[in-house]
Amino acid sequence: SQKIEQNSEALNIQEGKTATLTCNYTNYSPAYLQWYRQDPGRGPVFLLLIRENEKEKRKERLKVTFDTTLKQSLFHITASQPADSATYLCALPTGTYKYIFGTGTRLKVLA
Amino acid sequence: GAGVSQSPSNKVTEKGKDVELRCDPISGHTALYWYRQSLGQGLEFLIYFQGNSAPDKSGLPSDRFSAERTGGSVSTLTIQRTQQEDSAVYLCASSFSGQGHEQYFGPGTRLTVT
Repeated sequence: SQKIEQNSEALNIQEGKTATLTCNYTNYSPAYLQWYRQDPGRGPVFLLLIRENEKEKRKERLKVTFDTTLKQSLFHITASQPADSATYLCALPTGTYKYIFGTGTRLKVLA
Repeated sequence: GAGVSQSPSNKVTEKGKDVELRCDPISGHTALYWYRQSLGQGLEFLIYFQGNSAPDKSGLPSDRFSAERTGGSVSTLTIQRTQQEDSAVYLCASSFSGQGHEQYFGPGTRLTVT
């Protein structure tokens, strides 16, 4: 069955450094992948979508890569700030409209 | 503009009681999703509505769960004879079409079954 894996351990980094989060998937070849941010007590917020024919996508300090051979997406936040502290989820479509979400990686940026 | 709203924000109920959770999607969004998120878990798909099509109920965990969407807008998720394992955050999301479009999530309803 389709499976997504995100590092369940929290990631602590110093302010100003680059945070890198990983999303791995198996038994699956998605046409695209999405990243969301979730703050405590709130619903996820969409950040970026990357398609299978795009190797990299950027939005301000965010960068996402998509390696369909490795079945992996990397999510980078450059010049990280304490306000970037949150849980980051990756999501893949399993059909026309249905998605599976990873459990998320909790990022804490230390001032 | 207004985002997705959900009510109530918190609900505490006794085991065996029925509960109704409400979702108001973004106007113009034809796709509506319900998910469940338990502590430390990912989002679990429950049900999907798209326009006037029959909903995809494949994620509903038991026949105690049901949902409807009236007039292609507001949706209600009903849980009958609640059990303690139903305790979770129930999230609603809407999307422009559901295909390749981002989902806009509401703040969720935290359900606690005592």
